[in-house]
Amino acid sequence: KNEVEQSPQNLTAQEGEFITINCSYSVGISALHWLQQHPGGGIVSLFMLSSGKKKHGRLIATINIQEKHSSLHITASHPRDSAVYICAVRSWETSGSRLTFGEGTQLTVNP
Amino acid sequence: GAGVSQSPRYKVAKRGQDVALRCDPISGHVSLFWYQQALGQGPEFLTYFQNEAQLDKSGLPSDRFFAERPEGSVSTLKIQRTQQEDSAVYLCASSARQGTNTEAFFGQGTRLTVV
Repeated sequence: KNEVEQSPQNLTAQEGEFITINCSYSVGISALHWLQQHPGGGIVSLFMLSSGKKKHGRLIATINIQEKHSSLHITASHPRDSAVYICAVRSWETSGSRLTFGEGTQLTVNP
Repeated sequence: GAGVSQSPRYKVAKRGQDVALRCDPISGHVSLFWYQQALGQGPEFLTYFQNEAQLDKSGLPSDRFFAERPEGSVSTLKIQRTQQEDSAVYLCASSARQGTNTEAFFGQGTRLTVV
């Protein structure tokens, strides 16, 4: 079992829909990251969370430390939101502050 | 530069060829990570530097993989005698300091295809 599990693996939505991507992890963490990866490989950091909730524009990220679960929400989705969204954790059980990644969720938003 | 820069962006290598992938981190960033991302998968940790010291290389898949950061800034990931299973995107990330709540900044990656 992977230390970081994401669901769904693939998600197709219509423009304007509310989207939720889930992330569960099995290790003790100091921080959880939500990342966006567009075709071509570049990764952009969206959020870094250690508790509670963060909001940036149409994006909202929440984390429940007790349940070891985080969600990324996109409100009023747009075709330009189409990308792979990756959950990654920084665990105090590993050295060097490296990230352990989920396999990503491929989001496609159709006009 | 403003961000993490990786070169080349794309590399096609014949099986058995040696390759060198370069990462220019954000100036002044202490921590530097290399990750390998196979097609359709999430990135996997390869190795970690704090300044010029390679503190963790537990993710390197074989002794054909070698990384260095001799002056604590630019890093090179070298793969000797490339094999088809080495085909992947190689990502570099840097952080301003070591620490558990430090944001990581990623480069665009180098897509390596071994034919």
